[in-house]
This record gives sequence, C-alpha cells and structure tokens, in this order.
Amino acid sequence: NAGVTQTPKFQVLKTGQSMTLQCAQDMNHNSMYWYRQDPGMGLRLIYYSASEGTTDKGEVPNGYNVSRLNKREFSLRLESAAPSQTSVYFCASSIKREGENTQYFGPGTRLTVL
Amino acid sequence: QKEVEQDPGPLSVPEGAIVSLNCTYSNSAFQYFMWYRQYSRKGPELLMYTYSSGNKEDGRFTAQVDKSSKYISLFIRDSQPSDSATYLCAMGSGSNYKLTFGKGTLLTVNP
Repeated sequence: NAGVTQTPKFQVLKTGQSMTLQCAQDMNHNSMYWYRQDPGMGLRLIYYSASEGTTDKGEVPNGYNVSRLNKREFSLRLESAAPSQTSVYFCASSIKREGENTQYFGPGTRLTVL
Repeated sequence: QKEVEQDPGPLSVPEGAIVSLNCTYSNSAFQYFMWYRQYSRKGPELLMYTYSSGNKEDGRFTAQVDKSSKYISLFIRDSQPSDSATYLCAMGSGSNYKLTFGKGTLLTVNP
C-alpha cells in the first residue's frame, strides 16, 4: 500500500516549456487535490476533484490544468511554465464525508522554472 | 483578518520539554480540525484529527480544540529530536472540499 505517489520528484524547466505532474493513490479515495507550497505562503489549493469525472478550481488555478484520468489518478499540467510557478507541488487524496476531510499527501514534486 | 493564524516560530526546545503549538481562526463555520507534521523536503503527514471541542490524546500528542475561543492547540510531551519538523494546522467545514491551512510552525528539539 503505497498511499499517494507523485512523479517526477524533481524537475527543471525553461520558461515556456510544458510538463505534466502525475499523481496516483491506492487508498480508493474519491477526492483528490493539487497544492503548491511556497515559503511564507503555506499550502495553497490549485485544483481539486471531488470525484471521478469532476474538477474544480481552488485558490490559485491560473496557469494550470488538471485531468482526473480515473479514480486513482489526477494529473496537473503546466502548459507554458513561468518562473512564478517555481514551487513544491503536493498531491493529496481523501474520502470526503460530512464533517470530515482528512487528506493524505504525497511526497511532492520540486519544480524550478528558469 | 486572516482565516487562520499560526505563529511561524521558529521554536527551539530541549529534548524532553513539553511543546505547545497553537492556531487561532476567525471562521466559526469550521467544524473539524487537523494537525499535520512535515519533515524537511517531505509531504505533510497527518498527526491528529478532531471534530468536537475538548482534548484528544494519541501517545505523546494531545490535540485540544476550544470552539468558543476559536483556538486549537497541539501539545507534545517528552519531545524528541525526531519531533523536529514543521507543524501545520488545518481546518474545514461541512460539505466543503477545501481545507484552510495555517502557514506552519517550525519546531526544533535539541538533544
């Protein structure tokens, strides 16, 4: 049982390049999330998927797209990377119930945009 | 006023000390509360989940929620160097999928 896995662990891009961050969970969770974490800013929600087939914007969605490929997988795409997108990206998953949303996080992807 | 306020520290204590970490919040709709531990260059790891006001204990960790004061705390007894990490509070409400996180407190426990 690996929990939440993310690939790649590290990535360096040039401005304008595109890339997709991959996330998978094996906990049979319905909901999945993408966050970015920057010094002094804390964790900020980019996009989330309440269930397979649905996606919604979070706090900072500009410059990103997502795909909920199936129940297990949720990818984050940067179409034209910018230096402001240099960050650590975390994927998370949860079984969302009324009164509970315990999220489990992956190990993160460190992205640098030059 | 920010929704969640958390003292960023850094907090440095000797091994064996009792540590108190705190968050205050302004949104009275928050119903459930969590504490995460994040080691350097790792993902956040769930430590404690609480729903109601009062205390919840798990080993050396105690989570306390005071909804009337909009204040939550995490106590660590007999702190160990392995407790050195950033601690994040998080809270949510009802059917809302979004959690609100504090910015984290960096704790160092010195041997």
